[in-house]
Amino acid sequence: DAKTTQPPSMDCAEGRAANLPCNHSTISGNEYVYWYRQIHSQGPQYIIHGLKNNETNEMASLIITEDRKSSTLILPHATLRDTAVYYCIVRVEETSGSRLTFGEGTQLTVNP
Amino acid sequence: KAGVTQTPRYLIKTRGQQVTLSCSPISGHRSVSWYQQTPGQGLQFLFEYFSETQRNKGNFPGRFSGRQFSNSRSEMNVSTLELGDSALYLCASSSGLIGYTFGSGTRLTVV
Repeated sequence: DAKTTQPPSMDCAEGRAANLPCNHSTISGNEYVYWYRQIHSQGPQYIIHGLKNNETNEMASLIITEDRKSSTLILPHATLRDTAVYYCIVRVEETSGSRLTFGEGTQLTVNP
Repeated sequence: KAGVTQTPRYLIKTRGQQVTLSCSPISGHRSVSWYQQTPGQGLQFLFEYFSETQRNKGNFPGRFSGRQFSNSRSEMNVSTLELGDSALYLCASSSGLIGYTFGSGTRLTVV
């Protein structure tokens, strides 16, 4: 799986959009970009994933650049409960065996 | 739909003992993975089971083992516990199509 690079920490004001960047310059054509987050001492929570196109769900939006070498997770209206460590992961989508390789992630702190 | 259930939630063991942790996946999920999380090493993949067969293994010593039952429930075992085995152990289940759903974890403390 390709390696990802994320800033170690970010701050965001409550109610504003949080934009979390991720670099994955060695991503392969069949690797998906996944985002998970982990609130202190809980298990990671799946947020969103994508291959080429931008994706949106009830939690967030994922913007992937045309060359797929970077992406941005957008939380449109951050709340205090969005304070967590956010992990960007790239992996092959397969049903025959896989693993998630977690990096250091970005500690997002949403301030009142 | 019930989530991934891990038991026990907390555990304290003595060095040299062994421990067994349990994970019940989401109904219908046949893949179960285990991860170890420590402050120093972060989240690390231990192993993955699918239909009672281990099909992926991380870089951990043989003291760490696991198994999966016919109902997809999984257990992991750590023998001859060391202080460094103190960690949050997370189980995740997947149907293989979207992503992994993690449990709340078992916090193991080795004293």
